[in-house]
Amino acid sequence: GDSVTQMEGPVTLSEEAFLTINCTYTATGYPSLFWYVQYPGEGLQLLLKATKADDKGSNKGFEATYRKETTSFHLEKGSVQVSDSAVYFCALTLQGAQKLVFGQGTRLTINP
Amino acid sequence: NAGVTQTPKFQVLKTGQSMTLQCAQDMNHEYMSWYRQDPGMGLRLIHYSVGAGITDQGEVPNGYNVSRSTTEDFPLRLLSAAPSQTSVYFCASSRDRTSYEQYFGPGTRLTVT
Repeated sequence: GDSVTQMEGPVTLSEEAFLTINCTYTATGYPSLFWYVQYPGEGLQLLLKATKADDKGSNKGFEATYRKETTSFHLEKGSVQVSDSAVYFCALTLQGAQKLVFGQGTRLTINP
Repeated sequence: NAGVTQTPKFQVLKTGQSMTLQCAQDMNHEYMSWYRQDPGMGLRLIHYSVGAGITDQGEVPNGYNVSRSTTEDFPLRLLSAAPSQTSVYFCASSRDRTSYEQYFGPGTRLTVT
């Protein structure tokens, strides 16, 4: 079946460090890919998305490129801030909103 | 707009008790869904609805019932709570079944003892 695998957390970085959170997927067909972010005590928010191969999604300084050849959608940010501390979820869907499949989440903590 | 609202925020139940988790959205979204979030497992889809009067099962539907009598509301019912249902529950909505962005509520933390 369809699945998403994220790098194990938690991840702890210092402010202004470079961030990469790995995400790979298994899917039949051609999925759309997403990163959602969950700040403490809140629900999930869509961070960025890519709907076809080689698309790059970007938002708030975060980027991720849809790599069909490696079935990956790694999240990157060049200089993290304390306010980026949250749990990040990679997800895919093959049928619009009906079949959203999430990875297990990666907790990110940024120290000043 | 309030977006997606959920009540209660926290709930403790004894095994065998029943309760309903409430979810409402004021964005006139057709599609609504319920997820549970467990440590190390991400979010798993329980039930979803593509419009009023239409519901379907997700990945982990056992032990849960839903109904969708209006566009705005999508309650989740636990008929006989079990400790395995201890989790954080999120309701989400999107414009329609083809829309990629889902809007999530703040969650309900449920503990079953």
